[in-house]
Amino acid sequence: EVKLVESGGGLVQRGRSLKLSCAASGFSFNDYWMGWVRQAPGKGLEWIGEINQDSSTINYSPSLKDKFTISRDNVQNTLYLQMSRLGSADTAIFYCVRAANYYSSYIFDYWGQGVLVTVSS
Amino acid sequence: DIQMTQTPSSMPASLGERVTISCRASQGISNYLNWYQQKPDGTIKPLIYYTSNLQSGVPSRFSGSGSGTDYSLTISSLEPEDFAMYYCQQYDSSPWTFGGGTKLEL
Repeated sequence: EVKLVESGGGLVQRGRSLKLSCAASGFSFNDYWMGWVRQAPGKGLEWIGEINQDSSTINYSPSLKDKFTISRDNVQNTLYLQMSRLGSADTAIFYCVRAANYYSSYIFDYWGQGVLVTVSS
Repeated sequence: DIQMTQTPSSMPASLGERVTISCRASQGISNYLNWYQQKPDGTIKPLIYYTSNLQSGVPSRFSGSGSGTDYSLTISSLEPEDFAMYYCQQYDSSPWTFGGGTKLEL
């Protein structure tokens, strides 16, 4: 069974940094692109970025690339999201996603349960 | 960035009803369009990829269609578990973007 379990969220002061983790299991982690999507309270989904299998390609949403850094550890089967200079607009649930990429398809076929990050002023 | 606009933002519906949700892209996306369902507990699952292909395990009452800039998700006969949020997402051009969501309400 594919499982993605995020951790590292919580309450953080404005301007500080925070690092989220996503532990993957049930599949061959180093065969897949992985990514992060966030959802502000009561809002829609926002793609943050993605990383390929060997970390040689990392893509970010241009509006977020100066704030977030995605990395992965294929030995520990873990995806990371380093967040810096956090502001109130970064309060959100952060989802870890697996990307299935084949032929004409590119879909986030598995999602974690999400982890809440609350930025306090 | 490609803007994705979903209509309606919310939709009252009844069990057994056929419903259609629309998604319009700000430019042509060559059928590179996915649909997702989000339950009230936050759980998100994929429904349809590349406009009209059902993800494994998704019931056949779900279908997708469209081309160019206009796409739609249809549920042929609503079941109790279908009352949820639905999002479209384009993957024609990075950054991948989502529609604002449609809430299907009983």
